[in-house]
Amino acid sequence: QPVLTQPPSASGTPGQRVTISCSGSGSNIGTNSVNWYQQLPGTAPKLLIAANARPSGVPDRFSGSKSGTSASLAISGLQSEDEADYYCATWDDSLNGVIFGGGTKLTVL
Amino acid sequence: QVQMQESGPGLVKPSQTLSLTCTVSGGSVNSGAYFWSWVRQHPGKGLEYIGYVYYSGSTYYNPSLKSRLTISIDTSKNQFSLKLSSVTAADTALYYCARGPFTSNRGWFNPWGQGTLVTVSS
Repeated sequence: QPVLTQPPSASGTPGQRVTISCSGSGSNIGTNSVNWYQQLPGTAPKLLIAANARPSGVPDRFSGSKSGTSASLAISGLQSEDEADYYCATWDDSLNGVIFGGGTKLTVL
Repeated sequence: QVQMQESGPGLVKPSQTLSLTCTVSGGSVNSGAYFWSWVRQHPGKGLEYIGYVYYSGSTYYNPSLKSRLTISIDTSKNQFSLKLSSVTAADTALYYCARGPFTSNRGWFNPWGQGTLVTVSS
């Protein structure tokens, strides 16, 4: 079982706003930066959000936030090309290692 | 821009050693600004962190793989490598190399290689 908990699936219609949650604990999300990765079908993961900031080239429709021991990825103006798997990731001070969430499969209806 | 490319055998026999190399272009593994990592993804599953190497040769290994794992770096070739011994079918996965993490954000990986599928089978 992944240390970071994500819903296995999420869905929305084009134009909608969707949020994906990532729940952790004080030893990981509570004290470390959270990053989000997008994995389009058949491709490698791509850094989407780094510590609530968007890397160059990532549309501003994507945003990240963190509160306590949970983090969220929000996608506004949902588009068909956003259909992908999304993973959160951070460091865990207790495990002393990098941890990933189990991933959320986003379907655009 | 930095690019990563994995290479190595796509088929490994059980009990043998899986060996992969990641070649970095557009940047230097000797920079000291980043660590250099391996991540794997079992078919249809999520991401599993394997470990990292620093330009100095220092490493971090996932405890679940530590007894079988060696990650090394060759700064002269701008490459880093993974060796996983005594493989079983459970090691069949897509293996990615990635730049990262870095000290102020230890869950940051960018960019990633395209990944290479390694199948363990006789």
